[in-house]
Amino acid sequence: DQQVKQNSPSLSVQEGRISILNCDYTNSMFDYFLWYKKYPAEGPTFLISISSIKDKNEDGRFTVFLNKSAKHLSLHIVPSQPGDSAVYFCAASGTGTASKLTFGTGTRLQVTL
Amino acid sequence: DTGVSQDPRHKITKRGQNVTFRCDPISEHNRLYWYRQTLGQGPEFLTYFQNEAQLEKSRLLSDRFSAERPKGSFSTLEIQRTEQGDSAMYLCASSLGGAGAFQPQHFGDGTRLSIL
Repeated sequence: DQQVKQNSPSLSVQEGRISILNCDYTNSMFDYFLWYKKYPAEGPTFLISISSIKDKNEDGRFTVFLNKSAKHLSLHIVPSQPGDSAVYFCAASGTGTASKLTFGTGTRLQVTL
Repeated sequence: DTGVSQDPRHKITKRGQNVTFRCDPISEHNRLYWYRQTLGQGPEFLTYFQNEAQLEKSRLLSDRFSAERPKGSFSTLEIQRTEQGDSAMYLCASSLGGAGAFQPQHFGDGTRLSIL
């Protein structure tokens, strides 16, 4: 049972434009949502998070929006830069002691010149 | 600030052999996690330590897998009698847990295991 889904395996965006990456989840008990970026041969790097009680969190060029009623979140990158080209993973944190992360399958973003 | 360190980066071994991986978390982090990632998938949770106590294990962690964190600092993950299906990237993450603001998990670069 895939509790966190990223339905777009890839996305191509021109440099300077907005990149929008989407994520859906099924478990309403998740309390935090996170986005990680992953380059080849490296581990995931934390980008930004949002609490389930918020609907928006912004950090520089990155903004995450959460729509709890739709169980949907999105990551906006503005403006997109070539160095943003990577695989982006959406992850959700549970309410148990472990706070283990449940990941989506990732979206490969390519920012073209 | 030294990040999460994993060793080795790559391990190639024959089916049936035992392997052990090491993870050194960020020094002040009391929580340590192991995940496994296969091609085309996101990382999947394996197990979690708070200090030296192993508090949760996924059903993915068969009895051939064992993890330790003896002094609440570094951790080891051992796989006995490796099988082809064990081929994956094994990721370690750490975080600062406890009361207070949410702290995200920070990942190492992983150990890529290939079973011949």
